[in-house]
Amino acid sequence: GEDVEQSLFLSVREGDSSVINCTYTDSSSTYLYWYKQEPGAGLQLLTYIFSNMDMKQDQRLTVLLNKKDKHLSLRIADTQTGDSAIYFCAGLASGTYKYIFGTGTRLKVLA
Amino acid sequence: GAVVSQHPSWVICKSGTSVKIECRSLDFQATTMFWYRQFPKQSLMLMATSNEGSKATYEQGVEKDKFLINHASLTLSTLTVTSAHPEDSSFYICSALRGQGLSGTQYFGPGTRLLVL
Repeated sequence: GEDVEQSLFLSVREGDSSVINCTYTDSSSTYLYWYKQEPGAGLQLLTYIFSNMDMKQDQRLTVLLNKKDKHLSLRIADTQTGDSAIYFCAGLASGTYKYIFGTGTRLKVLA
Repeated sequence: GAVVSQHPSWVICKSGTSVKIECRSLDFQATTMFWYRQFPKQSLMLMATSNEGSKATYEQGVEKDKFLINHASLTLSTLTVTSAHPEDSSFYICSALRGQGLSGTQYFGPGTRLLVL
């Protein structure tokens, strides 16, 4: 089945850029998603990218997709303390509309 | 935007009792909703897919008699944890699928924290 991996932790200084990486095994997902989870809260959809795109920019967020390497990344420009959270990438399990979530990356922004 | 609510946001109950959690899509209709469970510092684990007007589809290893799901309308799905035990304590999150099939997007509720004493 689909396997989605992320690095567990990332620490950056306020104002720097953050890059959160995700690798996956199943390349059939039509869309790939990035969600943000703050402590004790549900998941907030940040952005998504269609599988035939290689880049999408949305204000401070840039998503890069390398289908050949099955690698997805989320870049947050000018990272703020409010960006501290857990970030999950997700894709669709093959032939279904069920999401497979990555392991989550805990981003800590230092003031 | 697409808003999904859950109620209650947290609940404490005694072992052996049943707890019902509601998931509502507030500004869109959702034929399909999903129920997840999240353990501390872990990712989300899909428990079941809830389909309006039909039986839920459970993931492998999830007891359907313990976790009862009802999706009676296009905006409401409920998860009932029956005869709850301390090991059922967890963070339960629902999502609602907006759009159709593979082109749809899941929008998540804020989660319900369950503590079984």
